[in-house]
Amino acid sequence: AQRVTQPEKLLSVFKGAPVELKCNYSYSGSPELFWYVQYSRQRLQLLLRHISRESIKGFTADLNKGETSFHLKKPFAQEEDSAMYYCALSGEGGSEKLVFGKGTKLTVNP
Amino acid sequence: KAGVTQTPRYLIKTRGQQVTLSCSPISGHRSVSWYQQTPGQGLQFLFEYFSETQRNKGNFPGRFSGRQFSNSRSEMNVSTLELGDSALYLCASSLEGTPSTDTQYFGPGTRLTVL
Repeated sequence: AQRVTQPEKLLSVFKGAPVELKCNYSYSGSPELFWYVQYSRQRLQLLLRHISRESIKGFTADLNKGETSFHLKKPFAQEEDSAMYYCALSGEGGSEKLVFGKGTKLTVNP
Repeated sequence: KAGVTQTPRYLIKTRGQQVTLSCSPISGHRSVSWYQQTPGQGLQFLFEYFSETQRNKGNFPGRFSGRQFSNSRSEMNVSTLELGDSALYLCASSLEGTPSTDTQYFGPGTRLTVL
């Protein structure tokens, strides 16, 4: 069964500090992993996908198949990064079915 | 380009009733997915429609159904409402429904409250 686990419900850091949001997954094949973000009073939106190997708003995420993890990292957090972050998984074949973690609420304090 | 729209935004129903929610995707998008979001279970996939056909389905009872029209607009229906159906229902659209290349764009959601 596909499963995504985000162990931290809440994460609080100070501005300028590094931040890492953890994501672990369970999937027997080769998954596609994503991070979605929801800022206050805004819609859920895609932040980045592992296949693109891109950095968005200073965030990066590396897929570690050995540890079945896809942690989201940013070296210097900004107050505007405060939001709800969801890790999501899609199975092989590009199925549109996304399995989401329960999310981590990140607060960046001034 | 207009974003994904969902109507109504808020809905209050009583147990046993049925409800229909509507989603209008971004122009040109052919894939529409529906998700249920609750505090306890988080975001859960309901189903996906592509070119008027249900292509994927989540683990929800048959009371939850949907359809897609030729203009890609989609509706979902919940019959015999239960208290546990109270949730935020999100709709998302994408061009072809392939997450590795497409981006799913989410609507604002419909907040359903069952009394």
